[in-house]
Amino acid sequence: QVQLVQSGAEVEKPGSSVKVSCKATGGTFSYYAVTWVRQAPGQGLEWMGGIIPIFGTTYYAQNFQGRVTITANESTSTAYMELNSLRSDDTALYFCARESYCTAGRCSIDIWGQGTRVIVSS
Amino acid sequence: EIVLTQSPATLSVSPGESATLSCRASQSVNTNLAWHQQKPGQAPRLLIYAASTRATGVPARFSGNGSGTEFTLTISSLQSEDFAVYYCQEYNNWPPTRTFGQGTKVELK
Repeated sequence: QVQLVQSGAEVEKPGSSVKVSCKATGGTFSYYAVTWVRQAPGQGLEWMGGIIPIFGTTYYAQNFQGRVTITANESTSTAYMELNSLRSDDTALYFCARESYCTAGRCSIDIWGQGTRVIVSS
Repeated sequence: EIVLTQSPATLSVSPGESATLSCRASQSVNTNLAWHQQKPGQAPRLLIYAASTRATGVPARFSGNGSGTEFTLTISSLQSEDFAVYYCQEYNNWPPTRTFGQGTKVELK
């Protein structure tokens, strides 16, 4: 049974960067996209971007273009999301998720990580 | 950019009743639509993908329907554990972009 295990909570200062990891255990990692989603306190889900590890192909939401970098290490089955130039409104829960339910090249999320809380405060 | 609009924002339901949630897309997403359930303090959980296919382990009381721009999630005979927020999400575009609806909260009446 595949699980996505994320790194622990982070507290960062405005203007700094944060890097969150997402390790896949118990199954295939490289062939399926890993996507990142965040949730501000009391708010809905916001898609940030994703990566297909076997190709290294990345794609980003326009809102985060230039500020987020998503990478993956196939040898450790781990994906990373780095967000730069942090602001107070980046305070949120950050989730990774795997997309492996595919039909004609369109793939749905099937499993989610447990989430990583990032607090941005001076 | 695709916009997903969910209605209603909040649905008050008694246990044992059924609930129907709606998700409307601003342009066709074919059947590339999923529904996720999120309980307080938890990560979301996939319920339905490809508009109508239940994910592994999801009870049969959850059913999805629709294609193109109009979708519904029906929960028949609501159980106490079904009170949660439900999000629709599309995954139709290539290169990939993803959009979530704003969520529907199903609460105890």
